[in-house]
Amino acid sequence: EVQLVESGGGLVQPGGSLRLSCAASGFTFSSYWMNWVRQAPGKGLEWVANIRQDGGQTYDVDSVRGRFTISRDNAKNSLYLQMNSLRADDTAVYYCARDGRATGVFDIWGQGTVVTVSS
Amino acid sequence: QSALTQARSVSGSPGQSVSISCTGTSSDVGGYNYVSWYQQHPGKAPKVLIYDVSKRPSGVPDRFSGSKSGNTASLTISGLQADDEADYYCCSYVGSNPPFYGFGTGTKVTVL
Repeated sequence: EVQLVESGGGLVQPGGSLRLSCAASGFTFSSYWMNWVRQAPGKGLEWVANIRQDGGQTYDVDSVRGRFTISRDNAKNSLYLQMNSLRADDTAVYYCARDGRATGVFDIWGQGTVVTVSS
Repeated sequence: QSALTQARSVSGSPGQSVSISCTGTSSDVGGYNYVSWYQQHPGKAPKVLIYDVSKRPSGVPDRFSGSKSGNTASLTISGLQADDEADYYCCSYVGSNPPFYGFGTGTKVTVL
């Protein structure tokens, strides 16, 4: 079964750090661009970052640049998001998503992991 | 990095058709055929319905169709069913430097 499973979410104080993980199974992980997408409570979807198949190219949205780092370990079929200097407006459900065609076709999604930034 | 513009809500009766528009600019929707549409039920992960403006993944009913004119993309749901009640989001490649993906503001579809 093709599957993505996120973990690592939780409650963190403003200014703190958190590392999210996404375990992939059922497909050749190393063949796909991978993404993080988030959704704040009651709000819409926001693309956060993506990473090329070999990990050699990454892109991210302005609001997280310099604070979040996306990475991957193809040997472990895993995607990561290191989040530093967290702010209240980073509170959201974080989804990992596979880009099935390298053109923003997010065809496989995880169930999401909740990140809450609060004192 | 502004979100693409969608109507907040649309509604229709079972069997009817509804259309959802997604307005961007020549740097995103109008400049590339990389528009996709997602359906999200409450508490669930999104599901892709349409990609590359008008293509349907296998398993998605042909009641869902996509199109584009200029800077505006559209999703049409024909033969509306109760299970179609959900939030719908468009998404487009944005050819800025650096490039990124932008989602629409989201449209709530209500089946009356």
